[in-house]
Amino acid sequence: AQSVTQLDSQVPVFEEAPVELRCNYSSSVSVYLFWYVQYPNQGLQLLLKYLSGSTLVKGINGFEAEFNKSQTSFHLRKPSVHISDTAEYFCAVSVNTNAGKSTFGDGTTLTVKP
Amino acid sequence: DARVTQTPRHKVTEMGQEVTMRCQPILGHNTVFWYRQTMMQGLELLAYFRNRAPLDDSGMPKDRFSAEMPDATLATLKIQPSEPRDSAVYFCASGLEQGSPLHFGNGTRLTVT
Repeated sequence: AQSVTQLDSQVPVFEEAPVELRCNYSSSVSVYLFWYVQYPNQGLQLLLKYLSGSTLVKGINGFEAEFNKSQTSFHLRKPSVHISDTAEYFCAVSVNTNAGKSTFGDGTTLTVKP
Repeated sequence: DARVTQTPRHKVTEMGQEVTMRCQPILGHNTVFWYRQTMMQGLELLAYFRNRAPLDDSGMPKDRFSAEMPDATLATLKIQPSEPRDSAVYFCASGLEQGSPLHFGNGTRLTVT
């Protein structure tokens, strides 16, 4: 079975500052990794995904994440945040033997302050 | 831009009533998932289907919840009878297998009084 741990439940940051949202996973087989964002009263939307290849993946809205197999991590970063990035962020893991089922972390609430 | 459509967006009902939530997955997607989101429990997987066949519904309270896919364009989640503890946002998501990301609907916010 797979599991995901998002290490911070809340991250407050000032506008234009850099941010890192941390995610660690556990799996005995190769994984696919995802970050999703959820704005109020909406469903989750895909930010970026790692399937294979380059360990640095770029997503929408200026976000990027780095897959680190030795540390079983997939941290999300943005060099300069905007007020509009305030949302909840979910890390998720999937494996190729479970019909696309994803296991989600508990979420990190990013609050960007002016 | 293809989207997962969920109806209704909001539902308020009294305890004991039947609730039916509907989901139209993205055309061509062969997996459908039902999640429940609450402040206390976060995102919980209730059930999921592949090619309309149920694969796992172990996350659902069996005595009151049921999930079906009568055809490839419709998934339903029913609660009978509903209870106040069922109050939550219920999300449907669809995708393809093998590393495909999930596409979520905007959810059904259920309030059971």
